[in-house]
Amino acid sequence: EAQVTQNPRYLITVTGKKLTVTCSQNMNHEYMSWYRQDPGLGLRQIYYSMNVEVTDKGDVPEGYKVSRKEKRNFPLILESPSPNQTSLYFCASSSGTGGGQPQHFGDGTRLSIL
Amino acid sequence: GENVGLHLPTLSVQEGDNSIINCAYSNSASDYFIWYKQESGKGPQFIIDIRSNMDKRQGQRVTVLLNKTVKHLSLQIAATQPGDSAVYFCASRKGGGNKLTFGTGTQLKVEL
Repeated sequence: EAQVTQNPRYLITVTGKKLTVTCSQNMNHEYMSWYRQDPGLGLRQIYYSMNVEVTDKGDVPEGYKVSRKEKRNFPLILESPSPNQTSLYFCASSSGTGGGQPQHFGDGTRLSIL
Repeated sequence: GENVGLHLPTLSVQEGDNSIINCAYSNSASDYFIWYKQESGKGPQFIIDIRSNMDKRQGQRVTVLLNKTVKHLSLQIAATQPGDSAVYFCASRKGGGNKLTFGTGTQLKVEL
């Protein structure tokens, strides 16, 4: 089954404790992206990757890092999480890099930073 | 930049009626539009898309209409069912690349 898998689905942690949210897709997609979803603000892009070893900032990259060492994986790293990063996070992927293809989303990771 | 907004945060319809969810975008250079459905506890699910060289596209029970003159997009759901209850997002892409800009969503409630 074609899917985007995120782990963990839920995490409660404390300020400053580094964490990584993993994302894996099995569709051989070139493009991958991370979003955060906050009430009243919709989905905002954090980082994206056009292909292996190619990453770039989205609209709200501060406090986050990503890497793309393999085509299927695109982890999101919070080096020193803060309470304002409490949010619902989604990973997405799509084929091609020219756009015009729908992005497929994972089921989300709910992070609570205390 | 691009702004994408939905007209109503909540829409209630009777089961069996048609639903129309509206969306406005600001950038006339937007060339690709998508509608997503998000059920509680799940990620956005692709419903239908349309390119700017079209003004209408139909899927199974859904139709997307694009009016580039007034920068307006709508999603029509025929014979709305309880399983259609969800939040619906529109998204647009400014020409080239994969970056999407999302609206804030409309909660569709289907009343029995």
